[in-house]
Amino acid sequence: AQSVTQLGSHVSVSEGALVLLRCNYSSSVPPYLFWYVQYPNQGLQLLLKYTSAATLVKGINGFEAEFKKSETSFHLTKPSAHMSDAAEYFCAVSDLEGAQKLVFGQGTRLTINP
Amino acid sequence: SQTIHQWPATLVQPVGSPLSLECTVEGTSNPNLYWYRQAAGRGLQLLFYSVGIGQISSEVPQNLSASRPQDRQFILSSKKLLLSDSGFYLCAWSVGQWVPEQYFGPGTRLTVT
Repeated sequence: AQSVTQLGSHVSVSEGALVLLRCNYSSSVPPYLFWYVQYPNQGLQLLLKYTSAATLVKGINGFEAEFKKSETSFHLTKPSAHMSDAAEYFCAVSDLEGAQKLVFGQGTRLTINP
Repeated sequence: SQTIHQWPATLVQPVGSPLSLECTVEGTSNPNLYWYRQAAGRGLQLLFYSVGIGQISSEVPQNLSASRPQDRQFILSSKKLLLSDSGFYLCAWSVGQWVPEQYFGPGTRLTVT
């Protein structure tokens, strides 16, 4: 069964600093992987997705993620943090069957310090 | 373009009262539909999903039920709410086996008192 582990429930960075949010997955088949962002009291918004094309995936708001099969990782990065990036971030893997269920990590809360 | 609606946005209900949350999707046909619950400070728990009208799969046995009376309508219900039913309820949709990403609605904040 697929699973996702997000390392660090809280990450704090200074404005302008590199953002790195970690995600490791477990999948018995080549996975589809996703990053979502959730602002307070809102639904989840898709940031980016990996679907077995390019291993470096660019998303919205300047975020990108690199799929590394050897490390079973899909870490999310942004070169320079903005105050508006403060939110909860979720990594997810698709089970690729039937109803296309997603398995989510527990989330990482990103705080940006001025 | 596709849009997803949920209502109500917020709800405060006493223990033992019934519940009905509604989700509708516009701009697509035959979507897969999903209900998630997000408890305070926790991740997302998949409650139900549906691949077609009248087809409901339950992921977690609990006090809730779901129905899909129309292609783009998904309803989450309970006959008697428990305190533990409090949380943020999210509806999502996806289309097609090769387009697995899900798109989420704005959510409903449910507080059971």
